[in-house]
Amino acid sequence: QKEVEQDPGPLSVPEGAIVSLNCTYSNSAFQYFMWYRQYSRKGPELLMYTYSSGNKEDGRFTAQVDKSSKYISLFIRDSQPSDSATYLCAMSVADKLIFGTGTRLQVFP
Amino acid sequence: EAQVTQNPRYLITVTGKKLTVTCSQNMNHEYMSWYRQDPGLGLRQIYYSMNVEVTDKGDVPEGYKVSRKEKRNFPLILESPSPNQTSLYFCASSSHRGSYNEQFFGPGTRLTVL
Repeated sequence: QKEVEQDPGPLSVPEGAIVSLNCTYSNSAFQYFMWYRQYSRKGPELLMYTYSSGNKEDGRFTAQVDKSSKYISLFIRDSQPSDSATYLCAMSVADKLIFGTGTRLQVFP
Repeated sequence: EAQVTQNPRYLITVTGKKLTVTCSQNMNHEYMSWYRQDPGLGLRQIYYSMNVEVTDKGDVPEGYKVSRKEKRNFPLILESPSPNQTSLYFCASSSHRGSYNEQFFGPGTRLTVL
């Protein structure tokens, strides 16, 4: 079983939709939870970062962590075509950083 | 502009022909690492370096070598490439040790080994 599971998609939504991206994990020791966004032919870039459980909001993006269920989510409100990318969850404890496989999102006009 | 650069961006080679992928960062970061990205497997760490002359294995180090003689550079060496090393490679750096620190990624090197 992989330590981090993420649905690869693709997920195709119309502009303006609310998008929900999710990851599950098995290692209860993970403390830091991140979402990276990767555009085609580019390296990943950090989008959101949370520590422990709870919600964090940044503009149209909300990251949610539920440690009791070992489940994290990224919500994108009012999605735009420019949000079309692959979204990777990542989790860490100490020096160990594990990435999910990424979910490809396409937002069509 | 703060960035991580990699060269070459694309490389096609043959089995057994030694190659080096260069990585350089201009942010004075201590921590650098190499990842490979494969469909269905995601990003997996190959090697990392916490500072000059300090390197250690990641999750998939077999078939790779690295060196860190200068703070800004962290080349990845494939002494005898094989087809199973065909992949998309990313170099990354961060300001400090600790996987929770933001990783700054390079643009990637797409390697094909025939």
